[in-house]
Amino acid sequence: EVQLLESGGGLVQPGGSLRLSCVASGFTFSNYAMSWVRQAPGKGLEWVSVISATGGSRYYADSVKGRFTISRDNFKNTLYLQMNSLRAEDTAIYYCVKLVVVGNFDYWGQGTLVTVSS
Amino acid sequence: QTVVTQEPSFSVSPGGTVTLTCGLTSGSVSTNSYPSWYQQTPGQAPRTLIYNTNTRSSGVPDRFSGSILRNKAALTITGAQADDESDYYCVVDMGNGIRVFGGGTRLTVL
Repeated sequence: EVQLLESGGGLVQPGGSLRLSCVASGFTFSNYAMSWVRQAPGKGLEWVSVISATGGSRYYADSVKGRFTISRDNFKNTLYLQMNSLRAEDTAIYYCVKLVVVGNFDYWGQGTLVTVSS
Repeated sequence: QTVVTQEPSFSVSPGGTVTLTCGLTSGSVSTNSYPSWYQQTPGQAPRTLIYNTNTRSSGVPDRFSGSILRNKAALTITGAQADDESDYYCVVDMGNGIRVFGGGTRLTVL
């Protein structure tokens, strides 16, 4: 059974930093691209970033480019999202998502809440 | 900047059929966009229904189907049930690794 378990969310002040983690199990992590998707309170889903299976390719939404960095450790079956220069508008539930071999998302984690507030 | 469009809301009668669509403000959605559909109920993580246009995710009943209709991705629900009342989101691959979600459709079953 595929499981994605996020952690690292919490309350942070504007301008601060936070690192999210996602531990994957139930599939061969190193074979699949992974992504982060977020959802602000009462709003829709927003794609944040994607990383290829090897980590060699990374892409970001314009809203986070230059502030967020996606990475992975295929030995630890773990996906990361380093978030710097956080803003109030980054407040959201952040979901770790597995991609199919070619295409978009299939499995989702339960999410971790990030709140940016003074 | 291209926006992914979805109907903000839709209503269907129990047992009825409804088709939700996912389009672009500029251009067409094709299979090369790998359009995918997700269902979300309040307080829950999204659940994948359809990926890559028409592939049902594991455990999804065949009442849910995906297709391309007149340059848009489409999600059709046949035999609507009360627990289909949810928010439905599509996502498309815009190329160069970039994905964009639609704004979502709130489906009411009544």
